[in-house]
Amino acid sequence: RKEVEQDPGPFNVPEGATVAFNCTYSNSASQSFFWYRQDCRKEPKLLMSVYSSGNEDGRFTAQLNRASQYISLLIRDSKLSDSATYLCAVVTGNQFYFGTGTSLTVIP
Amino acid sequence: GAVVSQHPSWVICKSGTSVKIECRSLDFQATTMFWYRQFPKQSLMLMATSNEGSKATYEQGVEKDKFLINHASLTLSTLTVTSAHPEDSSFYICSARDFRQAESSPLHFGNGTRLTVT
Repeated sequence: RKEVEQDPGPFNVPEGATVAFNCTYSNSASQSFFWYRQDCRKEPKLLMSVYSSGNEDGRFTAQLNRASQYISLLIRDSKLSDSATYLCAVVTGNQFYFGTGTSLTVIP
Repeated sequence: GAVVSQHPSWVICKSGTSVKIECRSLDFQATTMFWYRQFPKQSLMLMATSNEGSKATYEQGVEKDKFLINHASLTLSTLTVTSAHPEDSSFYICSARDFRQAESSPLHFGNGTRLTVT
């Protein structure tokens, strides 16, 4: 079983839409969680950390559900510039496990 | 925040030659660095974990004699693709974590190296 499962999409949404991505993880001992954004032909860049209490950064909200072992990323009021691939990352011990990435295209 | 620098950003080489990629942590010491490879439209694939002062740990299916990793100092890890072939053409990305920070610190990526073998 994979450490992290992520729906690859693609998600094609109109500007202004709200879109949500989810990742599930298999190891209940995983201790840290992150969302990264990767633009085409670029390296992944940290978008935000994910906490059980949830955290929000402008239009972006990340949530962790330990009981169900999933993390989510919500993007409100989508902008054209949000088009990218979003990767979840789960840390177990000293190892980072990445999802396959979800492709988002925001359409004018 | 933590910065990881990778060089070169892109390289084109002939089949059979070797290519060295450098990864530096600029404002922190990294006892461990990670090397990833990513093919077009595919996910990140961990190749190996580079450990300062000791041998790298390779993932299953990654040839250690082909992808030589050296982590001689706390701020520098190198990946050498030996006798490169066209199928080695890919995007290679290093990453590191500042372990001085809490266990919840994120992984920071270098800007990646796009390798094209002709």
